[in-house]
Amino acid sequence: GQNIDQPTEMTATEGAIVQINCTYQTSGFNGLFWYQQHAGEAPTFLSYNVLDGLEEKGRFSSFLSRSKGYSYLLLKELQMKDSASYLCAASDSNYQLIWGAGTKLIIKP
Amino acid sequence: GAVVSQHPSWVICKSGTSVKIECRSLDFQATTMFWYRQFPKQSLMLMATSNEGSKATYEQGVEKDKFLINHASLTLSTLTVTSAHPEDSSFYICSARDPLAGETGELFFGEGSRLTVL
Repeated sequence: GQNIDQPTEMTATEGAIVQINCTYQTSGFNGLFWYQQHAGEAPTFLSYNVLDGLEEKGRFSSFLSRSKGYSYLLLKELQMKDSASYLCAASDSNYQLIWGAGTKLIIKP
Repeated sequence: GAVVSQHPSWVICKSGTSVKIECRSLDFQATTMFWYRQFPKQSLMLMATSNEGSKATYEQGVEKDKFLINHASLTLSTLTVTSAHPEDSSFYICSARDPLAGETGELFFGEGSRLTVL
């Protein structure tokens, strides 16, 4: 079956760095997305990886290893506004997105 | 980026009534839109794929007669929850891809509609 695993909740300190991991098992693979979702709001796009390696975009970076079925989202210089849920989603052979349950990130001062 | 707008943001209705939620792509034409529901602290669950000019494709376990989807134009899809019951209370979100971005393009989400059925 198809499955996405990511931690339920993480806590980090303002100004620090946090890494949110995601492992996936899908029928075929056409890339991995990370979305940010603040409470009560719709998700917003953060990144897309389809090739192995690290993609850096400002304070946020995303990494993919296709052979390991593994990705992570790295957030640097954490700010209070980064408190949100982070959703990992893998695109399968039909380009259908398989969503993880999301990781709730709590930032403490 | 592309903009998807959803209306209403909040709706409260009585059990047994029907509720319509609209999803519009504001600056692009969306031949396909996706409808999700999300329960508190849970992931997005795809309900159906809405195709302009044809019938929607429903995911397994989603009642097509209860959740009516109409995609009458390239910029508008509607979800009607018929004979709503308290267990239908949820956060409903629509999304679409900019067709120029292809199948691997990012999804643009509407603001979401929170439905509460009394």
